[in-house]
Amino acid sequence: DAKTTQPNSMESNEEEPVHLPCNHSTISGTDYIHWYRQLPSQGPEYVIHGLTSNVNNRMASLAIAEDRKSSTLILHRATLRDAAVYYCISTNSGNTPLVFGKGTRLSVIA
Amino acid sequence: NAGVTQTPKFQVLKTGQSMTLQCAQDMNHEYMSWYRQDPGMGLRLIHYSVGAGITDQGEVPNGYNVSRSTTEDFPLRLLSAAPSQTSVYFCASSPRTANQPQHFGDGTRLSIL
Repeated sequence: DAKTTQPNSMESNEEEPVHLPCNHSTISGTDYIHWYRQLPSQGPEYVIHGLTSNVNNRMASLAIAEDRKSSTLILHRATLRDAAVYYCISTNSGNTPLVFGKGTRLSVIA
Repeated sequence: NAGVTQTPKFQVLKTGQSMTLQCAQDMNHEYMSWYRQDPGMGLRLIHYSVGAGITDQGEVPNGYNVSRSTTEDFPLRLLSAAPSQTSVYFCASSPRTANQPQHFGDGTRLSIL
């Protein structure tokens, strides 16, 4: 599994888009990129995952660089409820356990 | 749909006591795991299981035992509680198929005096 690097914290204004970056320069061709978030006093929550192509779901979009060495989680309109720690995790093609780093703490300002 | 249920939500123990943290899921997931999260830190894997009767160690297994006699349940046992095991414990489950989203419980907050 590739090591991932994220900024410790980011801040956004409410109702503006948020771009959360993640570097994974040692990623292999079969490693997936997963994003989870953890709201205060709750367990982590799945957000999105992808391999090569950009992915969209009801919560967010995932933009993966062409060389796959970085990716960006995009929240299209931040709300106060999106304030959380966001974890970028790389996993191989098998069903291996998730390895969490410290993630990015996102603050949303009203 | 209950998802992943952890009990108890809070527990205070004395050093040397033993206890079992319960984790149950109703989604017929083969894969289950236990993590601990210390203040200001990310989650660290304790033990995991890819199916009934199969368990394996994670990053920080010392002081903990697990068993998986059924698909639904994955209890975590503290053999002799130590203050260093004060933490929030999370259980997770997912289908065995690779790269499926994992579902987490709400955690058990454990304090050891």
